Amino acid sequence: EIVLTQSPATLSVPPGERATLSCRASLSVSTDLAWYQQRPGQAPRLLIHGASTRATGIPARFSGSGSGTEFTLTISSLQSEDSAVYYCHQYNNWPPWTFGQGTKVEI
Amino acid sequence: QVHLVESGGGVVVPGTSLRLSCAASGFTFSSHSIHWVRQAPGKGLEWVAVILYDGSKKHYADSMKGRSTISRDNSNNSVYLQVNSLTVEDTAIYYCVRDSTFYSGFDWPDYWGQGTLVTVSS
Repeated sequence: EIVLTQSPATLSVPPGERATLSCRASLSVSTDLAWYQQRPGQAPRLLIHGASTRATGIPARFSGSGSGTEFTLTISSLQSEDSAVYYCHQYNNWPPWTFGQGTKVEI
Repeated sequence: QVHLVESGGGVVVPGTSLRLSCAASGFTFSSHSIHWVRQAPGKGLEWVAVILYDGSKKHYADSMKGRSTISRDNSNNSVYLQVNSLTVEDTAIYYCVRDSTFYSGFDWPDYWGQGTLVTVSS
């Protein structure tokens, strides 16, 4: 089973600043990595797939990078609606499909 | 517009069974695999099970093997998850999630339903 480790657990960033979230895989997942945003009380929403491809309708301030075992989600110019928990997810080696434990972003 | 609506959750006693349903609309249901993902209160996301677009392949998390069954009815655009021998550890919101790929294997999950809450308590 591939374990995904996200850091930090919580990130506090002022509005307008940049947030950088990390996800490390226990084995290479190539670029088969997705990022999801979960706002309080809502279902997760797909942000990024293929490590760096934004999903339909996702603002350009969200960007993803990385391959193999190291991945980054960057949110430039944070806005209040970006307060959420962000999860990485690998779909390279399954079953099981696995998620990171999440990073909470506070604005 | 892709729409997934889960139902069947509720409060159940440990040791009993539950059948969750997911009704899909807004896309060609029979061409997409469907996952179930759950989230315990205040916790992260846990993948539960997946069924291939034509129902020919199914995979389960170890925590669900032997006591759960995923199935689908492509004529009714629905997916089901039957879970037996429920324990308090099964308390969670259960999400129905579409897999992005079609007429193929499995890829990234894209659209999520709003979830149905299952509470296992005596």
